[in-house]
Amino acid sequence: QQQVKQSPQSLIVQKGGISIINCAYENTAFDYFPWYQQFPGKGPALLIAIRPDVSEKKEGRFTISFNKSAKQFSLHIMDSQPGDSATYFCAASMETSNTGKLIFGQGTTLQVKP
Amino acid sequence: NAGVTQTPKFQVLKTGQSMTLQCAQDMNHEYMSWYRQDPGMGLRLIHYSVGAGITDQGEVPNGYNVSRSTTEDFPLRLLSAAPSQTSVYFCASSQGNRGPRNTEAFFGQGTRLTVV
Repeated sequence: QQQVKQSPQSLIVQKGGISIINCAYENTAFDYFPWYQQFPGKGPALLIAIRPDVSEKKEGRFTISFNKSAKQFSLHIMDSQPGDSATYFCAASMETSNTGKLIFGQGTTLQVKP
Repeated sequence: NAGVTQTPKFQVLKTGQSMTLQCAQDMNHEYMSWYRQDPGMGLRLIHYSVGAGITDQGEVPNGYNVSRSTTEDFPLRLLSAAPSQTSVYFCASSQGNRGPRNTEAFFGQGTRLTVV
């Protein structure tokens, strides 16, 4: 049972365009929603995260939009650059469980063409 | 700081062999976890620990054992390797209740394991 569903599986965007990756979750007890970025041969690294008390969080060119009623959240990459080409994972966690456990989506491979 | 260090980076095993994947962190983090990454399936939690002496199962624990005798180390043992365990394995750590950002996970570089 996949508790966090991510789409699309792969994405190709032109340089300067907007990349959008979507995730949906099932468990309403989740209270922390991070996005991780992974380059080939490397481990994932935290990119940006949001908690359900806000509907949007922006850090530079990266924005998370959060819709609590629909149980969906998405990552928007504005002015996409070739250096953004990587695999992106959404995740969800219950911080109140005090375990550090993360449930990941399936991942999206982003290619930004010059 | 080295962060999270995993060894080895690559390993080939024969079916039935056993081995231990090593993970060490130098950030004094309470929480540590092991994930496996397979194409199209994201990262799936194998085992996790909330402190020395405390471990629990994740989503896909079968065929793996863990122990946590110190805060720094969290080894993952494959008891009898099977081809289905061919994967990339990641160890992660996070602060836990010792800090405000208790859920930000820091990952190692991974171990690519092939079982033939």
